[in-house]
Amino acid sequence: GESVGLHLPTLSVQEGDNSIINCAYSNSASDYFIWYKQESGKGPQFIIDIRSNMDKRQGQRVTVLLNKTVKHLSLQIAATQPGDSAVYFCAEKGNRGNDMRFGAGTRLTVKP
Amino acid sequence: DTAVSQTPKYLVTQMGNDKSIKCEQNLGHDTMYWYKQDSKKFLKIMFSYNNKELIINETVPNRFSPKSPDKAHLNLHINSLELGDSAVYFCASSQIEGGTIYFGEGSWLTVV
Repeated sequence: GESVGLHLPTLSVQEGDNSIINCAYSNSASDYFIWYKQESGKGPQFIIDIRSNMDKRQGQRVTVLLNKTVKHLSLQIAATQPGDSAVYFCAEKGNRGNDMRFGAGTRLTVKP
Repeated sequence: DTAVSQTPKYLVTQMGNDKSIKCEQNLGHDTMYWYKQDSKKFLKIMFSYNNKELIINETVPNRFSPKSPDKAHLNLHINSLELGDSAVYFCASSQIEGGTIYFGEGSWLTVV
């Protein structure tokens, strides 16, 4: 089933604003999480990952926050650009530890 | 220099037909996967293979038969296609089981 869920299926932001995409996960034993970006007509692309021994990791314009207490993951995108428009997925390691399970996805739309 | 490549990208076929989707990765990864993405964008794992050995078979009808001739290839054969098989099928690979997954561009299957 859908063990990794997103509360907001769609998110619309103004160009230049910051975006926050949230994700709830269910496998408390998962030690690895990934955010993916999927543009229309393409496969999911790796954005950033985080291990469970960290609570924050930064990349270029993106930050992932992990709150293990409430099993919550978020992706922050700074100064959102039109090219950031896509569907974003969080993924967690499956219960058996040998695959990644995906949430339902959030569609981010950036308005110029 | 595509890392994970799958063919065909688009496939339209009639109910009852048998079809195959091929996948190759040139990343030197040991683990390969097939994921199915439905019309609501939900990504669900179907199979995973590690070094040609089946690891995960996620309650997929036995009309779906993966074949891994070597660790760089994982093909998906589907018998007696049904309307409900219409979806996007993604091949993916990771260096190790449960590691970062890299996706192909997807194969859009439409059964009419």
